[in-house]
Amino acid sequence: GAGVSQSPRYKVAKRGQDVALRCDPISGHVSLFWYQQALGQGPEFLTYFQNEAQLDKSGLPSDRFFAERPEGSVSTLKIQRTQQEDSAVYLCASSPGQGMNTEAFFGQGTRLTVV
Amino acid sequence: GESVGLHLPTLSVQEGDNSIINCAYSNSASDYFIWYKQESGKGPQFIIDIRSNMDKRQGQRVTVLLNKTVKHLSLQIAATQPGDSAVYFCAENRRDNDMRFGAGTRLTVKP
Repeated sequence: GAGVSQSPRYKVAKRGQDVALRCDPISGHVSLFWYQQALGQGPEFLTYFQNEAQLDKSGLPSDRFFAERPEGSVSTLKIQRTQQEDSAVYLCASSPGQGMNTEAFFGQGTRLTVV
Repeated sequence: GESVGLHLPTLSVQEGDNSIINCAYSNSASDYFIWYKQESGKGPQFIIDIRSNMDKRQGQRVTVLLNKTVKHLSLQIAATQPGDSAVYFCAENRRDNDMRFGAGTRLTVKP
């Protein structure tokens, strides 16, 4: 595809349920990022991959959050035992170079609502 | 019209006027800055960037100014159009993989 694709666009989960959010970055992009955006706020960094290596996961809020990018392309963000405070838009971004010091392209996000 | 970022999160301007959106960043070691535009239901869209060795950069209808002395960034939009209505975020690159976003300013363009 031409841009970063995320699925599903919307997810409603019951508290305690596990969810998996998918990101298809732009083909060939080395770097992939996950961000969490609460309503009315700017995106907050969660984790960063360079190819298949997760180089930074310092932004993950708890050990219920797990991300992977096993083949250096598609990435999945998994949230276990979801809680209401996990409700947010989860954004994925990719960039052709290493790190966030070049233009990054964002997907439309997955809006997660935990009820 | 002009905003002061976090202290005035909304900015309303008349179509055709120039807009100025301001942002204060926190880390004097940040060396790369980006302005993003986010429309409702969409992800942030890159507008323009600037590195710390510059103090001004121009794009199509947009100009970014960087004042490292006071850690201030601004985005100027010339001849604002209804399609410019969105939330605008400044972001600073603190280290290679950590781009920190501000809270955003909502720009509304009145026809």
